[in-house]
This record gives sequence, structure tokens and C-alpha cells, in this order.
Amino acid sequence: KAGVTQTPRYLIKTRGQQVTLSCSPISGHRSVSWYQQTPGQGLQFLFEYFSETQRNKGNFPGRFSGRQFSNSRSEMNVSTLELGDSALYLCASSLGTGGVQYFGPGTRLTVT
Amino acid sequence: GESVGLHLPTLSVQEGDNSIINCAYSNSASDYFIWYKQESGKGPQFIIDIRSNMDKRQGQRVTVLLNKTVKHLSLQIAATQPGDSAVYFCAENRDNAGNMLTFGGGTRLMVKP
Repeated sequence: KAGVTQTPRYLIKTRGQQVTLSCSPISGHRSVSWYQQTPGQGLQFLFEYFSETQRNKGNFPGRFSGRQFSNSRSEMNVSTLELGDSALYLCASSLGTGGVQYFGPGTRLTVT
Repeated sequence: GESVGLHLPTLSVQEGDNSIINCAYSNSASDYFIWYKQESGKGPQFIIDIRSNMDKRQGQRVTVLLNKTVKHLSLQIAATQPGDSAVYFCAENRDNAGNMLTFGGGTRLMVKP
């Protein structure tokens, strides 16, 4: 079974731009969660989608948003990029609730 | 806010020795815990998990111990190999928090050949 895939793997953007990242979960998984990883803050939860509905949201500004499609694929969007948004963005998928989450390789976003 | 784990320390062990990585959690409502391994340039990889109704769980060369009294979690790796070199994270989940994981700061494990 294929693992979690994320595209693109690397991205360079300029301050003020917006970006969309994509995540395809493991086949059959209905939950997709997004995390931001930085050297200073570590791994921080952004939001979770389950059956196309946002179920949980972390403590991030409204510039960070996401959505999930009927095939469980998910996208996250960051608008008005700031230098501090440079990070590894990780997507994780899970069958349901309260079980193992499997991570993708991440998208490395650099904001200049 | 609530957090799990320690600042990023480094554990250096000799190949073949056993490794013990520790993690403290602060939320007594947490009922599910996971250990992940992250190698450079990769996403976190699931190692082992444990629920709060258990004290110990064993996998292949790994054992997780949970002490709810002192809110402490540990990962034991037997016969540590060079391929075990990575950063290890513990994460917690609460029953009413969907799949939101709170991660610790991580521990870097370095295995000397």
C-alpha cells in the first residue's frame, strides 16, 4: 500500500505571496492532519480534516487554512507569506480517530 | 500551553548497547502515546504506541513504558544499531481531541560504530 505523499517536496516563495500544499493520504484513510516543523518550535499541529470537515485547529493565524476533498486528499494554503512561515510542512493520515498517524515526507517551504 | 517532552538532548550510545529515551508529559487527560523516529530529510516514522490502560508494550527491539503516576514515557531500543541514529519524538493524544497530536521536543540518538 502506498504511503502518504506530499507535493511539492520543495518550494521557494517570496514574502506576501500565497502557497498551496497538497497531501494524498494512505488509501482508505479518512483523517488528514497537518503539522508545521521548525527548529525553534518543533512539531506543531495546524489542523485536522475528517470526511471533508475540519475537526480540530491548532493555534495558528487565519492565514493558514485547509480543505479536504471527497477522495480524502487535502490541501493547505498559506496566504500573505511571512519569513517565519519557512518550515517543513508535514501531512499525516489516519484511518479514524485516536489511532496511529502516518506521516508523509513533508514539503520544505522557504520564504525569502 | 500544555506540552509533552523535553528540550532536544542528545544521547550517544555504542553500537550493540541498549538505548533509553525519556519523555515527560504534562496532561493527565492524555490517553494515547506514540513514539516516532525522524531521519534527516524525512517525515516522522511510526515506531510504537501505547494506550493509557497499559504500562508496557513491546515491539521488535523496542519497548515503551508508561508511568501514569509521574506522567513519564520511555522508549527502550535493544541492541542499538547505526540505522537507529535519528531524532526520536514522543507524542500524546487526548480522547476528545480527534487526531491532534502534541509532540515533545525530541531526542537525538547517535550510535557509534
